[in-house]
Amino acid sequence: RKEVEQDPGPFNVPEGATVAFNCTYSNSASQSFFWYRQDCRKEPKLLMSVYSSGNEDGRFTAQLNRASQYISLLIRDSKLSDSATYLCVSDQSGGSYIPTFGRGTSLIVHP
Amino acid sequence: GAVVSQHPSWVICKSGTSVKIECRSLDFQATTMFWYRQFPKQSLMLMATSNEGSKATYEQGVEKDKFLINHASLTLSTLTVTSAHPEDSSFYICSARRGGLGLGGRAAGELFFGEGSRLTVL
Repeated sequence: RKEVEQDPGPFNVPEGATVAFNCTYSNSASQSFFWYRQDCRKEPKLLMSVYSSGNEDGRFTAQLNRASQYISLLIRDSKLSDSATYLCVSDQSGGSYIPTFGRGTSLIVHP
Repeated sequence: GAVVSQHPSWVICKSGTSVKIECRSLDFQATTMFWYRQFPKQSLMLMATSNEGSKATYEQGVEKDKFLINHASLTLSTLTVTSAHPEDSSFYICSARRGGLGLGGRAAGELFFGEGSRLTVL
């Protein structure tokens, strides 16, 4: 079983839609989680950190559910420019503080 | 602007040659850098953790003699793909965490990525 799992998608949504991604992690000792965005052939860039209390940044909301060991990312009012791959990251791998990535969820926002 | 710079951004080489990729943290010191490899439509797979002043820690299945990592200073780590073959063609990305470890040894600070290096071995 992979340490961080995501549905690869693609999620194909119209502009203005609300879309949600989930990501499950297997290491219960993981402390920090992040969502990164990666555009085609580019490096990943931090979208937001995920706090226990949840956090919101504009149209983006991230939440953590420790009991069920998953994190989520909600995007409201989708824009064409939101089309990208969204990577879920846990800060733990085998007990070490090494960032571990999910395979990413592809989002396509169409007009 | 970029805080982690990676060079070259792309390289094409003949089979059997060696290729060096540099990763620099531009405005912070990084005692630890990570090297990842990403094949098309796949996730970033950790290859090794580069530690300044000591040997790199390689992930299972990654040949340390083939992927040489040198972290000679707090701002520079290099990955050398020795005797490259077509199956080594991939997108290689380095990253560094600004801030290192925080209280209680917990990971702290944002993770920054280099721009990536696309290697094509003919």
